[in-house]
Amino acid sequence: NAGVTQTPKFQVLKTGQSMTLQCAQDMNHNSMYWYRQDPGMGLRLIYYSASEGTTDKGEVPNGYNVSRLNKREFSLRLESAAPSQTSVYFCASTVTLGSPLHFGNGTRLTVT
Amino acid sequence: KNEVEQSPQNLTAQEGEFITINCSYSVGISALHWLQQHPGGGIVSLFMLSSGKKKHGRLIATINIQEKHSSLHITASHPRDSAVYICAVRSAETSGSRLTFGEGTQLTVNP
Repeated sequence: NAGVTQTPKFQVLKTGQSMTLQCAQDMNHNSMYWYRQDPGMGLRLIYYSASEGTTDKGEVPNGYNVSRLNKREFSLRLESAAPSQTSVYFCASTVTLGSPLHFGNGTRLTVT
Repeated sequence: KNEVEQSPQNLTAQEGEFITINCSYSVGISALHWLQQHPGGGIVSLFMLSSGKKKHGRLIATINIQEKHSSLHITASHPRDSAVYICAVRSAETSGSRLTFGEGTQLTVNP
């Protein structure tokens, strides 16, 4: 039972490059989330998907796009990476909005 | 002032000690979460509570809604409890999607 799987685990990008962070869950959860974690700050919500076919902005959506490809998969895209997007990114899922979170292991992204 | 404040920021204990980590928040909430972030970075949900007290093994979480305060207790602490403990609240006025997270408490338990 893999839970929530994120890829890649580490990534280094140059300013202006693009990339997609992948997330998949095998728990049949309806809701999925993308967070970023920065030193000295709590986790912050980038985007979420309450259910298959819907996506909504969180606290810090600028510079990101998301796709809920199907019930299992929720990807996060950086179209033109900036140094301010250097962070650790976590994907999470829940049965429904408001139920306990299940996190992936994170992606450490560095933008130079 | 952050909506969620945790104290202490850092805590060092000897194996066997009783640990308390505190979380205060400033908004009306519908639920409070306690999470554990392992040294390798993975995050695990420990508790979700909206009133009273919950217990799982050596971990106990309590919440006082009137005082806007929650505590996480660890009894008979062990070096494997060393981790960052994070408090998060869901505002009663927003949708279930929005959690506000504290900055975390770094716990180190020495043998």
